[in-house]
This record gives sequence, C-alpha cells and structure tokens, in this order.
Amino acid sequence: EAGVVQSPRYKIIEKKQPVAFWCNPISGHNTLYWYLQNLGQGPELLIRYENEEAVDDSQLPKDRFSAERLKGVDSTLKIQPAELGDSAVYLCASSLDSYNEQFFGPGTRLTVL
Amino acid sequence: LAKTTQPISMDSYEGQEVNITCSHNNIATNDYITWYQQFPSQGPRFIIQGYKTKVTNEVASLFIPADRKSSTLSLPRVSLSDTAVYYCLVGVMDTGRRALTFGSGTRLQVQP
Repeated sequence: EAGVVQSPRYKIIEKKQPVAFWCNPISGHNTLYWYLQNLGQGPELLIRYENEEAVDDSQLPKDRFSAERLKGVDSTLKIQPAELGDSAVYLCASSLDSYNEQFFGPGTRLTVL
Repeated sequence: LAKTTQPISMDSYEGQEVNITCSHNNIATNDYITWYQQFPSQGPRFIIQGYKTKVTNEVASLFIPADRKSSTLSLPRVSLSDTAVYYCLVGVMDTGRRALTFGSGTRLQVQP
C-alpha cells in the first residue's frame, strides 16, 4: 500500500516568491493534515480537513497561506508571498478520522532566501 | 496555546528500558494520547495510542494515569536503532476548542 506522497521534497525560493506543496493521502483516509515543523521542534498544525471541508485552520496565517482539498482527496498548500521565516519542513499526514493514528509523508523542506 | 511538555533529551544504553513522560494538563475529554517516532529527514511514525490505563503493543507500552494529565511511553530493551526523537500528540482544550498539539519532542540517544 502506498503511503502519503508529497512533492516536491525540497524547494528553494527567494523571498516574496510564491510556492506550492502537493500531498496525496492514503486512499480511503478522510482526514488530511498540513503541519509546519521548524528545526528542533514538534510539528505544528496548520490546517485539518475532514473530506473537502477545512475543520481547523485556526493556526493558518491566512494573509499569505492558503490550502485546498478538492474532491476530498489530494491537497495543495500555497504560500504567497513567501517570507524568510517560512523556511521549515512542511509535513502532510492523513488518517481514517481525526482520532485515529496519522500517517505522515516525508515532508517538503522549504528554504526561503 | 496550551502546552504539551516533554524532556528535551534522554540518554540510554542498549538493552535498557527507557521511559519518556509527556505532560498534557488540558487534554480534551474524548481524546486519545498518541506517540510518534521521528528520524532525521523523515516524517513522524506511529508507535502507540491509548485513552487510559495501560496499552501494550509489540514495540512499546503506554501508561496513562486516571487523571490523564500525563502519559509515559515505555520502550523495553532499547537498541541503537531506537535513537530518534519521540513526540506525544494529544488534543487539548484551548479557548474552548480542541487543538491537536504535539509535544516539543524528546531526543533519545542510545549508546552501545
């Protein structure tokens, strides 16, 4: 069974540029999460989807971050414009529901110069 | 945001038992406590999950006291390959809403 797929694995951009990350969850998983992880810290939830509905986006900086999960399957997280402080690893995870174990992708390491 | 706290690091030797505790004072009533392991350049990987008392699987045990304000991950007879960062994840109540919160992580170093 394929795990959570994320792309790209690495991205280097200059500040003020846009960037997008893509995630394909495990088939049949209704819940999808985007996390941000800074070096030496635990993941921080940005947004949680139940099917195509964003049920928790309270920690998503909505002035520059946006996300979508069309058709309740794969998802895209976008930053526009990127700032130096956005450099981090962006993790995607999925689960059967929000109380079940989460399966994580390998993450996208973003470097903003 | 409500805090979920763990020791920053722990050291152990091969074959020893390691216990890592997480404090989560504001855990939501219906939430599970879940522990993950993370190696460098990888996403976290599920270890064990529980709601109360004790849970055991093939790799670990999880001890949860009656008040559920803390939990302890127990790794029996650790090996070098258990060197990793360990995180607890709980849903905590923050300003009236449930917030999924990872602990800050415990870096376990296992030596020969």
